[in-house]
Amino acid sequence: EAAVTQSPRSKVAVTGGKVTLSCHQTNNHDYMYWYRQDTGHGLRLIHYSYVADSTEKGDIPDGYKASRPSQENFSLILELASLSQTAVYFCASSPGLGASAETLYFGSGTRLTVL
Amino acid sequence: DAKTTQPDSMESTEGETVHLPCSHATISGNEYIYWYRQVPLQGPEYVTHGLQQNTTNSMAFLAIASDRKSSTLILPHVSLRDAAVYHCILRAPALNQGGSAKLIFGEGTKLTVSS
Repeated sequence: EAAVTQSPRSKVAVTGGKVTLSCHQTNNHDYMYWYRQDTGHGLRLIHYSYVADSTEKGDIPDGYKASRPSQENFSLILELASLSQTAVYFCASSPGLGASAETLYFGSGTRLTVL
Repeated sequence: DAKTTQPDSMESTEGETVHLPCSHATISGNEYIYWYRQVPLQGPEYVTHGLQQNTTNSMAFLAIASDRKSSTLILPHVSLRDAAVYHCILRAPALNQGGSAKLIFGEGTKLTVSS
């Protein structure tokens, strides 16, 4: 079974500060994703990557950067954190393309509070 | 990706078989039907997916209408651990490596299980 681990599990940041969320997967998946979830709402895609050293923009990339230094690791970076970025962030991975290969495996999430 | 409609909530009792409906009247021919579930403080968990034929796995049975405009996720003998928000999502496979397995999560159906 896919294993996706996120760190930290929760974080409090100050407005204007830099925040880095980390994600590590151990299943040799090509694709990795960052989603955010706001209270009572669905998930929205921020960035994704299908190969190391390359990232792609999702639906809401503004204010976020992503980094994929290796197949196993995918980071989400908030250079200047803002109040509106308070949310729960989920990392996910998938093997590749095709209906079954696109099944997403999610981490447990990082709860970010920006004050 | 086409839109789905699900009831906001459903209630059940342990041991019952639960039928979770999903309407997708505008589904396209190449769109798969995915089901994920999410419990509080955890990331979404893959349940099952299908295209046209009914499917079954250790978690659930997916019944797809012959015209594909609706589907039903059937959970046999539910337990307290099955209490979650269940999401019905449509997704056409990405055509190339640069495509993403972007799943558009809505509000889903909140399933409550009582003992």
